[in-house]
Parts: sequence; C-alpha cells; structure tokens
Amino acid sequence: AQSVTQPDIHITVSEGASLELRCNYSYGATPYLFWYVQSPGQGLQLLLKYFSGDTLVQGIKGFEAEFKRSQSSFNLRKPSVHWSDAAEYFCAVGAPAAGNKLTFGGGTRVLVKP
Amino acid sequence: GAGVSQSPSNKVTEKGKDVELRCDPISGHTALYWYRQSLGQGLEFLIYFQGNSAPDKSGLPSDRFSAERTGGSVSTLTIQRTQQEDSAVYLCASSSGQGVNIQYFGAGTRLSVL
Repeated sequence: AQSVTQPDIHITVSEGASLELRCNYSYGATPYLFWYVQSPGQGLQLLLKYFSGDTLVQGIKGFEAEFKRSQSSFNLRKPSVHWSDAAEYFCAVGAPAAGNKLTFGGGTRVLVKP
Repeated sequence: GAGVSQSPSNKVTEKGKDVELRCDPISGHTALYWYRQSLGQGLEFLIYFQGNSAPDKSGLPSDRFSAERTGGSVSTLTIQRTQQEDSAVYLCASSSGQGVNIQYFGAGTRLSVL
C-alpha cells in the first residue's frame, strides 16, 4: 500500500522569504504525485502534479515541485511567499492499481509573518 | 463552468440520527470520490465510483456508511445511526475518466454529531 509523509506539521515563514515543504512517499511503482492547498473552510485546490517526464514541475501561484525518485521525495517550493499563501498544504499519491484513490500526507500548515 | 457542489455545507445532528450528504460532480466527469477529513485521522479515502458502480468501497469505516450514485451524476453518502466519531468534513471530488486524472474537490460538508 502507498503512503505519504509530510514531516513538518507547521511552518512559519516571513513574507517575501522562500518556502520549502517536504513530502516523502512510499509506492512500489512509478507514482503519480500531487500537491493540493486548502484555505480555511475551503475544499482542496490543485497546485501541481507529476505524472511523468520532466522531474521539475511548475504549478499555479508561483509554486514548483521536484520529483526525486532516489529519495522518494516530491518537495514543494516557492521563492517568495505572499501573505495569501497562508494555508494548509497536502501532498498526495495516486495510482490506478490502488483504485485511483488518493492517499494524502498529514498536511503542513503554513503561517506567514508580515 | 460549475465546480463540484456539495450540500449541505454544514450539518448538525444528534447521535443516533441518519444523515445524507449530497455531491454534484462536474458535468461529464465519470469518476467520483468521497473522502473524510478529521482531526485525528487526516484525509481518508472512503469510496470511489466509476459511472454508477463502486469498484472500491475499501475506505468505508463501517456498515453504517453507504453511498450511491445515480444517472452517472449525483452521489449521496448516507450515515446511519450517527456517532460522535463521525464528526468530520466530508469531501467529494470528481475526475474526467479512467486512470489517474486530476481530482477536483468540492468545499465539503462539515458534519457535527452532538
């Protein structure tokens, strides 16, 4: 069975500083990887995805993520954080062999200091 | 076009009562998923529909939980004899077809069992 670990429960970052959120996955085959963001009281919005190809993927809102097979990681980055980036971020893995369901990490809550 | 719509947005019920949660997927999306988000368990998969059939019900926590989908569109998640541990946000997602496509999420139904 697949699993996802997000080691950081909370991260506080100053506005304008860079942000990196860690994600490690466990899956026996090539994973399909996703990052979603959830603002308070909202559903999940897709930031970016990795299915195959270039291991550095660009997403919305200036986010990017890099797939590293050797490290089983898919870390999310943003060079300069805005106050509106305060939210909870979820990494997820999906695979057809698992009934297409997504398995999520526990989430990382990002607080942005002015 | 409209996104995934869930109703009600909030539901307060008494222990032992039955509740029905509704999900309207994006028009034309053949796949529909239910997830549960709770403080103790994070985001958990419940059930997946492809058309009107449910090939994966592995996440339903007990036989008090059931779901159906009619006309390949609207889905209803029913919880019978609700318990306090059922209190959570129930999220619905839809995607366009087979394989691991992008899942688009609704805003969720927050269920509180008193």
